[in-house]
Amino acid sequence: AQSVSQHNHHVILSEAASLELGCNYSYGGTVNLFWYVQYPGQHLQLLLKYFSGDPLVKGIKGFEAEFIKSKFSFNLRKPSVQWSDTAEYFCAVIVYGNNRLAFGKGNQVVVIP
Amino acid sequence: NAGVTQTPKFQVLKTGQSMTLQCAQDMNHNSMYWYRQDPGMGLRLIYYSASEGTTDKGEVPNGYNVSRLNKREFSLRLESAAPSQTSVYFCASSGGQTHTEAFFGQGTRLTVV
Repeated sequence: AQSVSQHNHHVILSEAASLELGCNYSYGGTVNLFWYVQYPGQHLQLLLKYFSGDPLVKGIKGFEAEFIKSKFSFNLRKPSVQWSDTAEYFCAVIVYGNNRLAFGKGNQVVVIP
Repeated sequence: NAGVTQTPKFQVLKTGQSMTLQCAQDMNHNSMYWYRQDPGMGLRLIYYSASEGTTDKGEVPNGYNVSRLNKREFSLRLESAAPSQTSVYFCASSGGQTHTEAFFGQGTRLTVV
């Protein structure tokens, strides 16, 4: 079964700092990749997704992610974070032809004003 | 647009009691999922249903059963609740093929005492 790895579970940043969250997956076939965000007390919302084409994907709220197939990675970035970006971020993978959607353990990001 | 609706939002059970969490989606999605979310563990897949009439085990199926009642509804049953099942449960649905993301319900916070 596919697995998803996220490192540095807790990240603390100051406003205007840059953010990068790593995501690696274990499956070597064709995958669809997602980043979800969960604000305190809320459900998961889609931040961005990659299916095919340009490996640099832009999402909402200034987030972007880069798919590097050779590294099985899909890292999330934001050049300048805001206090409102305080949330938990989850990477997810679904394998082509298999409807099983697997999540990483998440990154808890705290942005200090 | 209702999206994915879960009931109840909160529940307290005594050890050994049973209950069913209900989930319904109105997006004509093929695939539906049940996850549990625990601190530091991310979202762990309990069961999923790739299409109406099928169900499959996820990472942590023990102690749970599911029913895909029809295309819209996917319920999760705890036959004999245990304190280890205290968690936040999320239902999700997706188109079931690639090129679609999952949409989440608001979650059910379950406490087993």
